[in-house]
Amino acid sequence: AQTVTQSQPEMSVQEAETVTLSCTYDTSESDYYLFWYKQPPSRQMILVIRQEAYKQQNATENRFSVNFQKAAKSFSLKISDSQLGDAAMYFCAYRSAGEGGSEKLVFGKGTKLTVNP
Amino acid sequence: GAGVSQSPSNKVTEKGKDVELRCDPISGHTALYWYRQSLGQGLEFLIYFQGNSAPDKSGLPSDRFSAERTGGSVSTLTIQRTQQEDSAVYLCASSPGGAQYFGPGTRLTVL
Repeated sequence: AQTVTQSQPEMSVQEAETVTLSCTYDTSESDYYLFWYKQPPSRQMILVIRQEAYKQQNATENRFSVNFQKAAKSFSLKISDSQLGDAAMYFCAYRSAGEGGSEKLVFGKGTKLTVNP
Repeated sequence: GAGVSQSPSNKVTEKGKDVELRCDPISGHTALYWYRQSLGQGLEFLIYFQGNSAPDKSGLPSDRFSAERTGGSVSTLTIQRTQQEDSAVYLCASSPGGAQYFGPGTRLTVL
């Protein structure tokens, strides 16, 4: 079974600075997706960024980028120019992509990000 | 366009009662998922629908939990004879394939 580990229960960053959230995963599959979701206190899970395992290029969405290291099974999220609105729980998630694989998301335990003004 | 909607937003019930939670997915999304989020267990998968069929029910914790989806759209998660350990936020997500898009969740409190 696949597992996702987020080793940082809490992180903090100063407004306008850069922060990196860590995520590692364990799988024997070669074809999969990885995601970062943000959950603010409002409870709504918001998709931040996605990465297909077959793509070597790291995904980028505005101030959010990932460092995907397939051999190391590492998928970290970098937030640049942090804003107060970035404060939230961040979840790393894995999903199989192969034929016959379960489409469920497997989540890490989350990292609580605090942004200090 | 409209996102995933869930109702009710909050539900308080007494132990032993049945509850129904509803999910309206994004129009055109063929896949629908239910997850449960609790402090002790984190985010857990419950069940996955493709159209009206459920190829993966492996996350349902007991036979008190059931779900159905009709018309390839609305889904209902039913919990019978609720227990205090069922207290959690129940999240629904839908997908056209690939990424999943979540609703705001239903917070269930069992007294």
